[in-house]
Amino acid sequence: GAVVSQHPSWVICKSGTSVKIECRSLDFQATTMFWYRQFPKQSLMLMATSNEGSKATYEQGVEKDKFLINHASLTLSTLTVTSAHPEDSSFYICSAHRTSGTTDTQYFGPGTRLTVL
Amino acid sequence: DQQVKQNSPSLSVQEGRISILNCDYTNSMFDYFLWYKKYPAEGPTFLISISSIKDKNEDGRFTVFLNKSAKHLSLHIVPSQPGDSAVYFCAASLNTDKLIFGTGTRLQVFP
Repeated sequence: GAVVSQHPSWVICKSGTSVKIECRSLDFQATTMFWYRQFPKQSLMLMATSNEGSKATYEQGVEKDKFLINHASLTLSTLTVTSAHPEDSSFYICSAHRTSGTTDTQYFGPGTRLTVL
Repeated sequence: DQQVKQNSPSLSVQEGRISILNCDYTNSMFDYFLWYKKYPAEGPTFLISISSIKDKNEDGRFTVFLNKSAKHLSLHIVPSQPGDSAVYFCAASLNTDKLIFGTGTRLQVFP
């Protein structure tokens, strides 16, 4: 099946610093990628839709200046958490949309655990 | 407003028996539904999907049923195996690629 990778898998940072998370589709091109956040014992919440070559579309309530998304190529999207604070600590997951014939499927990365001290 | 709901936070099933995970939704315009399986500290893994024009889709041990009039879908796993123990999310989409997830059901399959 299709593979999506994320890097790093976990990161610990000090409050006020910025952290960049990469999402790569390894064996297919993805014009659209998505970023999700999961809080403990809660559902996956869509943060934003990342489109290659254009600005990301953010969901209501998500600060676009805090969560910077760049979809630089058809296989890479990055999420930068700027001026991170402890409340930003969470599990961030990306997904890449793949169209194969008449089937559309999203493939998820393994996630990145962010801990802000 | 939770558009996709999984009202059972957990389910425990004996190995070999059937596991039935349920999902309800409120938006009748959803046109595609999916089930994902998730282990702790990992991303969700796609299991099976169904279009709103169908009422059943089967793939090996996994079958998804859709009841549009009731706005309800279910995932059947038979026979259940210990390796099936994970959190299962249902998700729905509306004309776009964006997925709206339910809150998940933790399935535990015991010997």
